[in-house]
Amino acid sequence: AQSVTQLGSHVSVSEGALVLLRCNYSSSVPPYLFWYVQYPNQGLQLLLKYTSAATLVKGINGFEAEFKKSETSFHLTKPSAHMSDAAEYFCAVRGGGYQKVTFGTGTKLQVIP
Amino acid sequence: GAGVSQSPSNKVTEKGKDVELRCDPISGHTALYWYRQSLGQGLEFLIYFQGNSAPDKSGLPSDRFSAERTGGSVSTLTIQRTQQEDSAVYLCASSPRSGTGYEQYFGPGTRLTVT
Repeated sequence: AQSVTQLGSHVSVSEGALVLLRCNYSSSVPPYLFWYVQYPNQGLQLLLKYTSAATLVKGINGFEAEFKKSETSFHLTKPSAHMSDAAEYFCAVRGGGYQKVTFGTGTKLQVIP
Repeated sequence: GAGVSQSPSNKVTEKGKDVELRCDPISGHTALYWYRQSLGQGLEFLIYFQGNSAPDKSGLPSDRFSAERTGGSVSTLTIQRTQQEDSAVYLCASSPRSGTGYEQYFGPGTRLTVT
């Protein structure tokens, strides 16, 4: 069984401030972990993924996430928020190559000018 | 190359009518997913096809919902006797069998409105 918990359905940050979106997972096998972003009225696109290589993963648009097995976490960060980062962010886990992907409930990021 | 496509992009139907939503995955992708996203809600898993294996239908909300995937490619999600609570955006995603990470590639979605 696998699951994902995203803490905070809404997060607001000031432009230029640190972005931190939290994701905790559970998985009975070594997981694949993903962050997706959904801009208004668009589909989801992959931000970054963890596949058991480097624990610090860099993605598009300056985002990165760190896999911490001891904390079962995969938090998403960006040093300096930009207005264009306003979107909904989804964390997802896949417990193996043939298992379905499980998504978190999403976090809406608001960037305040 | 071409991404995941879905049709129609918008569908308005009357309560009680049947609707069919289509998904064309990326060529060669063996996994295909359907999700539902209601206004202000997260992604609700509906069904998962992986190659020739029996689909995982555990997310289908009622027997009014069904899906098939023909020839391991195109998929159709059918909703019979639509209800107003079926109004949502229906997202399709495909994923390769091999490669690093098995990430999903999403289509733009079909916005279904039941009046």
